[in-house]
Amino acid sequence: SAVISQKPSRDICQRGTSLTIQCQVDSQVTMMFWYRQQPGQSLTLIATANQGSEATYESGFVIDKFPISRPNLTFSTLTVSNMSPEDSSIYLCSVAGGDRGSYEQYFGPGTRLTVT
Amino acid sequence: QKEVEQNSGPLSVPEGAIASLNCTYSDRVSQSFFWYRQYSGKSPELIMSIYSNGDKEDGRFTAQLNKASQYVSLLIRDSQPSDSATYLCAVIYGKLTFGQGTILTVHP
Repeated sequence: SAVISQKPSRDICQRGTSLTIQCQVDSQVTMMFWYRQQPGQSLTLIATANQGSEATYESGFVIDKFPISRPNLTFSTLTVSNMSPEDSSIYLCSVAGGDRGSYEQYFGPGTRLTVT
Repeated sequence: QKEVEQNSGPLSVPEGAIASLNCTYSDRVSQSFFWYRQYSGKSPELIMSIYSNGDKEDGRFTAQLNKASQYVSLLIRDSQPSDSATYLCAVIYGKLTFGQGTILTVHP
């Protein structure tokens, strides 16, 4: 499976600020996704990052709050804007459709965000 | 709303026993099913995928799929304390949809 890295691994931010999370894959992949996982909860899909076009957001998530970029087939960023304590969570990127061309999704190590 | 339901758990088994984790899904047209393992403080790790009715074995893990009954299960044979984790069932309904997870504890 692909090797996925995320930066930063964790951060503590003040409310009202923004944080950009980077996701880098060591090989080209078709699909990249961004998830949020709150303590003790399962994973919630934020959006699908589309290469060369706007991301596709799930219900309850909007571009102004979570702008996403995907400039190529190995890299994506998620920005959490105008943060509030409710945004404290683990943010995960995942990828699918690498050289195996399958629907199997593999997750990065995650970014633990705390908003004070 | 398309749903994925798992045993609420937690599930506790003795070392060496078989751990059985179950999952049901609501949409009969689903074709792709996955089990992820998540250790505390870590990200989910894909351990099994299954697409056809029947059993799929990989080492100590066996995934079982029954599309008529809309359930998928994961058996862990010879359970080890290192298997203690949260196990997430996931189904593709257009997007990957996760169950709430079952916490498994294997005690020595």
